[in-house]
Amino acid sequence: TQLLEQSPQFLSIQEGENLTVYCNSSSVFSSLQWYRQEPGEGPVLLVTVVTGGEVKKLKRLTFQFGDARKDSSLHITAAQPGDTGLYLCAGPPHGSSNTGKLIFGQGTTLQVKP
Amino acid sequence: NAGVMQNPRHLVRRRGQEARLRCSPMKGHSHVYWYRQLPEEGLKFMVYLQKENIIDESGMPKERFSAEFPKEGPSILRIQQVVRGDSAAYFCASSAMGETQYFGPGTRLLVL
Repeated sequence: TQLLEQSPQFLSIQEGENLTVYCNSSSVFSSLQWYRQEPGEGPVLLVTVVTGGEVKKLKRLTFQFGDARKDSSLHITAAQPGDTGLYLCAGPPHGSSNTGKLIFGQGTTLQVKP
Repeated sequence: NAGVMQNPRHLVRRRGQEARLRCSPMKGHSHVYWYRQLPEEGLKFMVYLQKENIIDESGMPKERFSAEFPKEGPSILRIQQVVRGDSAAYFCASSAMGETQYFGPGTRLLVL
């Protein structure tokens, strides 16, 4: 069974600090996605990384896909209270890329205090 | 463009009752996925449907749970004889073939 492990599970920081969230697996993924979920809402897709070593930037968010496509990271620069939420990584398990099924990590709950 | 719609947003049932959760995909999407989320956890895949077909139900409990996506109308996730352990948030996502999944706001089911 393929698993995605996220760390840390909880993170509470002050506004303006930097942080990194990790998503690791012992298995290779054809792609990984990062979602952000606010309380009472569904996950919203932030980015999809496909190529090993790929780096994508979305304003203050930087996403990286490991060279071996087994891990990914999300780095937030100068965090703001609006970044507060649950961050989830997800990917299609091996052999199911044509079914659309996604495996999710357990999530990282980020709280940014003003 | 309306996004994925789910109703009801909140549902309270007593043990033994039936729960029906509805999902209307985004316009032009013919693929629907159901996921379940327990508090402070990630989402767990339940079932993947296309119009009138179940493609992958490997995450669906074998008993009491069923799903359909008829030719006309929304996709329905049905839970019969609910138990307290069924309390969770149930999310529906939709996509076009091979494309990104877009999630609805979810239905929060509480079983008393």
